[in-house]
Amino acid sequence: TQLLEQSPQFLSIQEGENLTVYCNSSSVFSSLQWYRQEPGEGPVLLVTVVTGGEVKKLKRLTFQFGDARKDSSLHITAAQPGDTGLYLCAGAVETSGSRLTFGEGTQLTVNP
Amino acid sequence: DAGITQSPRYKITETGRQVTLMCHQTWSHSYMFWYRQDLGHGLRLIYYSAAADITDKGEVPDGYVVSRSKTENFPLTLESATRSQTSVYFCASRYGPATSGNTIYFGEGSWLTVV
Repeated sequence: TQLLEQSPQFLSIQEGENLTVYCNSSSVFSSLQWYRQEPGEGPVLLVTVVTGGEVKKLKRLTFQFGDARKDSSLHITAAQPGDTGLYLCAGAVETSGSRLTFGEGTQLTVNP
Repeated sequence: DAGITQSPRYKITETGRQVTLMCHQTWSHSYMFWYRQDLGHGLRLIYYSAAADITDKGEVPDGYVVSRSKTENFPLTLESATRSQTSVYFCASRYGPATSGNTIYFGEGSWLTVV
């Protein structure tokens, strides 16, 4: 079983602050995805990264895939209360093409 | 409307009873999944299916049974519910393999409480 460790588990910040969430593993992933989940709903895909060193931007969110494809980060600039939610990373390994391994998630609260 | 739907959304059952959670998707996606989400454990894969009549165990399959007689449906059955199966269950579907970066779509979840 490939483990994905996310940090921090909980993060509470003020509106306007920047933050970074980390997703680390000892396994190499062929692709890594970030999801956001709001209370009472299922996770929703934010981005997929597939190339080592890849950086993708989604408005104020910047996603990076590590060069060795073992880790990833999500950086949010000038966080807003609407960014509040559970952020999950999930990785796919070449040898288990059907399966995604999820991290435990980072619960982000952005206070106005 | 097209999408992935789960039923029931909320269920309370007694220990020892059989419970079936239904999942239906309208995209004709090949892959379907059942996850459970618990505090401190994140999303854990129970069972998955790559196509009709093909199912495989995930990380935590014990106490669960699945079937996939039709592409669009993937019911999950708890044969004899236990308190440890109290959880939020998410069904999901995907067009192709995860390694190709295909998007997985989740249902809204089924909240199951076993008393």
